Amino acid sequence: AQKITQTQPGMFVQEKEAVTLDCTYDTSDPSYGLFWYKQPSSGEMIFLIYQGSYDQQNATEGRYSLNFQKARKSANLVISASQLGDSAMYFCAMSSGRRALTFGSGTRLQVQP
Amino acid sequence: GAVVSQHPSRVICKSGTSVKIECRSLDFQATTMFWYRQFPKQSLMLMATSNEGSKATYEQGVEKDKFLINHASLTLSTLTVTSAHPEDSSFYICSTAGLSYNEQFFGPGTRLTVL
Repeated sequence: AQKITQTQPGMFVQEKEAVTLDCTYDTSDPSYGLFWYKQPSSGEMIFLIYQGSYDQQNATEGRYSLNFQKARKSANLVISASQLGDSAMYFCAMSSGRRALTFGSGTRLQVQP
Repeated sequence: GAVVSQHPSRVICKSGTSVKIECRSLDFQATTMFWYRQFPKQSLMLMATSNEGSKATYEQGVEKDKFLINHASLTLSTLTVTSAHPEDSSFYICSTAGLSYNEQFFGPGTRLTVL
């Protein structure tokens, strides 16, 4: 079974500052993928970044980067230069192969001006 | 990436009625679709996996007779909430996996309110 743990129910960050959202995972599958999604109040799931378990380098997508520490089973999301529009729920998720995602409980990020 | 649509986006119904939610893959042949449920202020939980041309696979605790899933074509999966009750009020969202492991395409979701 797969499990995702997000220990930060809520986070505050000042505009233009960087913020790290924590995610740890547990799985017995040797091959897996880790995802981060942003969910605004509208409910849509916006894909941010993906990290494969065999990827040697940490994934980056614009202002988003994933701090992947395989030995510690962590996949923290770093958002640089926070913007007011970054305020939303953020979910860490994982999957093996093309199976469904297992989601963490989420972190609500609030960016303050 | 693939585009997934859902209809309706919002539905309000009376207790005891049935509600059908459609999930369409507009530009991708989706042999498998996933249905998730998200209660207010909670995370997404997988309800069932819908396979084209065969029976859906339900997660533990999800009543298959209450949540009927039909995946009759490669572009359409439907979820019918039968005899809906207020506790079924939730956000229902479908998704499909792309050809690559990093591809998971979500529909915009359907917000169901049962009065």
